[in-house]
Amino acid sequence: GENVEQHPSTLSVQEGDSAVIKCTYSDSASNYFPWYKQELGKGPQLIIDIRSNVGEKKDQRIAVTLNKTAKHFSLHITETQPEDSAVYFCAASIGSNSGYALNFGKGTSLLVTP
Amino acid sequence: DGGITQSPKYLFRKEGQNVTLSCEQNLNHDAMYWYRQDPGQGLRLIYYSQIVNDFQKGDIAEGYSVSREKKESFPLTVTSAQKNPTAFYLCASRPGGGGLHEQYFGPGTRLTVT
Repeated sequence: GENVEQHPSTLSVQEGDSAVIKCTYSDSASNYFPWYKQELGKGPQLIIDIRSNVGEKKDQRIAVTLNKTAKHFSLHITETQPEDSAVYFCAASIGSNSGYALNFGKGTSLLVTP
Repeated sequence: DGGITQSPKYLFRKEGQNVTLSCEQNLNHDAMYWYRQDPGQGLRLIYYSQIVNDFQKGDIAEGYSVSREKKESFPLTVTSAQKNPTAFYLCASRPGGGGLHEQYFGPGTRLTVT
């Protein structure tokens, strides 16, 4: 089945700096790649996603890039703020053949210090 | 107020007892999912249902059971056969239909079995 690897497991940046989280996937049939933000004790919140027919997507300070050939995708957060501190998860899905179920990475704990 | 509700937020049970976790959504979503999250781990798929009266096993279904008698409800039963039931359980839903991948999560139920 699909295997999603996520790095780094922890990331500490100064407020205003950029943060980058990287993920790789194993199944070339994967065609949907969401990113979730999870605050302590809460459910994950979808923050951005990208489909396999797109190389890059941006939403204000957040962007995601996808390299299908290398089977990796990345989350970029610019101008980080303390409220960006959370655990971020990447995921991949092969779509209808698996009921659109998501395979998750193990998460990156991001700390933004003022 | 639309969304996904999970109750209770915290649940405590003695070993050997079955326990049922509730998941309700009023988003009119067709598909629903149950994931398990352990400390420092990504989410792992337990069961999913794409339509009423139908559900499929995920990667870690052993020791769990589900039902989908109504579109808005997808309860999960953690049976005494589940060897390590203590975890954070997350329910998600998806609109359904071809190409609609986005999954939205509830707030989760933290189950502790002693």
